[in-house]
Amino acid sequence: DQQVKQNSPSLSVQEGRISILNCDYTNSMFDYFLWYKKYPAEGPTFLISISSIKDKNEDGRFTVFLNKSAKHLSLHIVPSQPGDSAVYFCAATRSSGGSNYKLTFGKGTLLTVNP
Amino acid sequence: ETGVTQSPTHLIKTRGQQVTLRCSSQSGHNTVSWYQQALGQGPQFIFQYYREEENGRGNFPPRFSGLQFPNYSSELNVNALELDDSALYLCASSLGRDAFTDTQYFGPGTRLTVL
Repeated sequence: DQQVKQNSPSLSVQEGRISILNCDYTNSMFDYFLWYKKYPAEGPTFLISISSIKDKNEDGRFTVFLNKSAKHLSLHIVPSQPGDSAVYFCAATRSSGGSNYKLTFGKGTLLTVNP
Repeated sequence: ETGVTQSPTHLIKTRGQQVTLRCSSQSGHNTVSWYQQALGQGPQFIFQYYREEENGRGNFPPRFSGLQFPNYSSELNVNALELDDSALYLCASSLGRDAFTDTQYFGPGTRLTVL
């Protein structure tokens, strides 16, 4: 039962353009969402997060949008750079759930930014 | 500040054997979480330790066990290895007890192959 879904296994964009990575979740108890980036042979690195009390969070070139009614979030990268090429994981949890609400990851989307 | 390290990098075992994987957290990080990442999947939460006590467990059988030590190191032990245990095992450390909303710092992982 996939509670966090990233339906696009891969995405290819041109350098300088916008990358949009999508994520859907099914568990309405989730209220905290994170994006991690993973390069080959390295562990995932935290990128950006958003609480359900917000619908947008920005950090430099990275913006995460949350649509609670649709149970959908997206990560926008503008402008995309070749160094952004990596696997991006969406993850969700419940902030007040303690150890009962583990971090649940999607399967990831491989982003390739072409020079 | 040193990052999270894991050893060994790669390991090959046969079915039925036992394995111990090791992780060294960032100094001062009281929480360590372990994840299993099968090929083509996102990381799956195995369990979490806070100040040497188990603080939550995912849907993994009891043959997956762990230890956390006062020197910020930890172990993941897997008994009676099965073919499906072949995966990348990741550990992640974080400061507080509620690790899932804290920033988690991942190690590079141990690639376990069970033959």
